[in-house]
Amino acid sequence: EAQVTQNPRYLITVTGKKLTVTCSQNMNHEYMSWYRQDPGLGLRQIYYSMNVEVTDKGDVPEGYKVSRKEKRNFPLILESPSPNQTSLYFCASSLRPGSMITEAFFGQGTRLTVV
Amino acid sequence: RKEVEQDPGPFNVPEGATVAFNCTYSNSASQSFFWYRQDCRKEPKLLMSVYSSGNEDGRFTAQLNRASQYISLLIRDSKLSDSATYLCVVSSYNTDKLIFGTGTRLQVFP
Repeated sequence: EAQVTQNPRYLITVTGKKLTVTCSQNMNHEYMSWYRQDPGLGLRQIYYSMNVEVTDKGDVPEGYKVSRKEKRNFPLILESPSPNQTSLYFCASSLRPGSMITEAFFGQGTRLTVV
Repeated sequence: RKEVEQDPGPFNVPEGATVAFNCTYSNSASQSFFWYRQDCRKEPKLLMSVYSSGNEDGRFTAQLNRASQYISLLIRDSKLSDSATYLCVVSSYNTDKLIFGTGTRLQVFP
């Protein structure tokens, strides 16, 4: 079954404690991205990756890091989380957008609370 | 101005009604258009792609108007299960990302 798997689904952490949210896809997609979703603001892209070892900033990258060492995995790292990073996070994968009509597949989301 | 704009709603309609949403986009170079559906606190899922000639999938019809830079979604014979948020999504050849609207919330009541 084609899927994007995120873990954990729910996380409560304290300010400053480093955390990683994992994302894995089994569709051999080149393109992966991370979004955060906040009420009234919709989905905003944090970082994206067009292929292994190729990553770039999205619209709201501050406070986040990513890596793409393997095609299937694209972890999101918060080195020093702050309360304003409390949000619902989605990982997505797709064939490269803009080059052809393509569908984005989303993980189930990670609800992060930073206290 | 936002790159993709949608009326947030909510649109409250009775079962069986026909409802339509519009979405405007600002980048005239946009090439690919989609409607996604998102249920409360769940991940977005593709509802349908929007082609230049328009397309229909059962009770759902999507249209593209390039001249006025908007896409539309028409839902006929609304069901309770259609209650969700509908996201308009746009991409273009000159950007490497999908641009999401903030969504239009639909609530279908009995």
